[in-house]
Amino acid sequence: GAGVSQSPRYKVAKRGQDVALRCDPISGHVSLFWYQQALGQGPEFLTYFQNEAQLDKSGLPSDRFFAERPEGSVSTLKIQRTQQEDSAVYLCASSLLSGQGLTYNEQFFGPGTRLTVL
Amino acid sequence: AQTVTQSQPEMSVQEAETVTLSCTYDTSESDYYLFWYKQPPSRQMILVIRQEAYKQQNATENRFSVNFQKAAKSFSLKISDSQLGDAAMYFCAYRDTNAGKSTFGDGTTLTVKP
Repeated sequence: GAGVSQSPRYKVAKRGQDVALRCDPISGHVSLFWYQQALGQGPEFLTYFQNEAQLDKSGLPSDRFFAERPEGSVSTLKIQRTQQEDSAVYLCASSLLSGQGLTYNEQFFGPGTRLTVL
Repeated sequence: AQTVTQSQPEMSVQEAETVTLSCTYDTSESDYYLFWYKQPPSRQMILVIRQEAYKQQNATENRFSVNFQKAAKSFSLKISDSQLGDAAMYFCAYRDTNAGKSTFGDGTTLTVKP
């Protein structure tokens, strides 16, 4: 594909609803990252996949947040029982392969999904 | 844990002039990457410039250059001949070579005045 795509671009949810945010990485990219960007702040790491394996989920703020990448391509970030503090832009990024002391590979970001919880 | 600090929430520059954005970071690692990203209002994060910590030479990309001071853990971005299209939020970011995730600062909003 031409770049990382995310859907929906905007999501409004009522407090307590479950939401699912989708990320389509660049074709062939092994590494996939999710970040949360609150208004006026920098992105904060949530979780990281290498193919279908979730190697790091240390940034997920609570057990209401769950991410998966079952076939090593598309990823979904699910938030259960949304709260107002979950309102943010959720960014996805992908790269050929990142980490583990490997040769540098650029990470490409998607446009983000803006989640508003009322 | 690594931290990245951008002490200038907002900066402005006259078109065609030069501006410098500041960034400091904290890490105990010796090998890492540093980045400057640009995020226009459309929200697509774009890589501006990258610096490998083991390289002493400062990175340069056209009108963008950095001043990397490893001992001081400082990494500033200089934009020369500023253009209206440079107006955006700029984020400084750190990444371990052994980790894929990046740590970002809170950003600097750059305004370019015609």
